Amino acid sequence: KNQVEQSPQSLIILEGKNCTLQCNYTVSPFSNLRWYKQDTGRGPVSLTIMTFSENTKSNGRYTATLDADTKQSSLHITASQLSDSASYICVVRDNNDMRFGAGTRLTVKP
Amino acid sequence: GAGVSQSPRYKVAKRGQDVALRCDPISGHVSLFWYQQALGQGPEFLTYFQNEAQLDKSGLPSDRFFAERPEGSVSTLKIQRTQQEDSAVYLCASSLNVGGTTDTQYFGPGTRLTVL
Repeated sequence: KNQVEQSPQSLIILEGKNCTLQCNYTVSPFSNLRWYKQDTGRGPVSLTIMTFSENTKSNGRYTATLDADTKQSSLHITASQLSDSASYICVVRDNNDMRFGAGTRLTVKP
Repeated sequence: GAGVSQSPRYKVAKRGQDVALRCDPISGHVSLFWYQQALGQGPEFLTYFQNEAQLDKSGLPSDRFFAERPEGSVSTLKIQRTQQEDSAVYLCASSLNVGGTTDTQYFGPGTRLTVL
């Protein structure tokens, strides 16, 4: 069983709408959690990184939250744009390794 | 360019053929990682270099996979006697420092390997 589970697997929204992507993990010990954006045909690009003591972090229209007690994170995208269409991958790091989720495939339609 | 580059971007191989995938990390980056990404999945770790030393190859799926970084910069991932299950995108990433837990990995665009 993957130690990082993401939901939904895919999502289609209309341009301008908001959406929230979920990440649940069982990785232990916990070091940090990152959200990556991966455009089609490109490598992943880091959006945010959060450590144990951080509850929320924003990067423009992207806001990530972390609840280390329940081992859940979310990525909220505000006022979506067509360029937000991509896969969003949650990555949780223990002391040594990075554990990747399978990603959520987001499609923003005009 | 300032980013991680990989070549070729696409490779089609016949089953049994050997392939070599190249990664040019960001100049000065100490750490280099290779990942395998199956369609619709997240990347899976293959191997890690610190300069020219291969410190972790625990993710390599078989002895047909071999990676090297002889001068601590460019790296090559070689797959011998390719099989259909090797079809995937192979991602390379580099980071500036020596595996710090908050060190950002910068990914290349990947090489999409298709084995027929």
